[in-house]
Amino acid sequence: GNSVTQMEGPVTLSEEAFLTINCTYTATGYPSLFWYVQYPGEGLQLLLKATKADDKGSNKGFEATYRKETTSFHLEKGSVQVSDSAVYFCALSDTGGYQKVTFGTGTKLQVIP
Amino acid sequence: DGGITQSPKYLFRKEGQNVTLSCEQNLNHDAMYWYRQDPGQGLRLIYYSQIVNDFQKGDIAEGYSVSREKKESFPLTVTSAQKNPTAFYLCASAPLAGATNQQFFGPGTRLTVL
Repeated sequence: GNSVTQMEGPVTLSEEAFLTINCTYTATGYPSLFWYVQYPGEGLQLLLKATKADDKGSNKGFEATYRKETTSFHLEKGSVQVSDSAVYFCALSDTGGYQKVTFGTGTKLQVIP
Repeated sequence: DGGITQSPKYLFRKEGQNVTLSCEQNLNHDAMYWYRQDPGQGLRLIYYSQIVNDFQKGDIAEGYSVSREKKESFPLTVTSAQKNPTAFYLCASAPLAGATNQQFFGPGTRLTVL
């Protein structure tokens, strides 16, 4: 079956530091890949997505590139802010008729001033 | 504004009681989902529905029940058979047809069993 593995947290960074959160996946076919963000006490929000190999998703300074050869979708940001503190989930979605989404376990990011 | 609403935000239940969590969407989405989130774990799928009057079990359906009588509504009942119901519950919806398969999430309901 499908699976998503992402680095365990928490990840603690100083403001303006560079962020990388690793994500690798196992899937058959050609899944779509996502990063969702969850702020404390809230639901998940889509941060960015990529639907085919070599696509780069980007939003709010975050980027991730769909690497089929390494089955990875690492999240990066050049300069984090305190407001980026949240839990980040990597996910993939089947391209079949039922759009089941498989989530990673989440990585908590803490940015300190 | 289009979106997904869940109510209540916080819910307390005594052991042995059934409780129903509400989920409503006005996005005209065909598919709706219920997930359970526990600390340090990802989201686990409880039930999903692709059309009205039809729903399927997810990975952890035991002790839960759902209905889909209207396209906009997908309530989840946590029954007394669920052995460890304290968790954060998330409802989501998605267009059934679409290239991105993105899901849209509600704000969640935190259920605590006393």
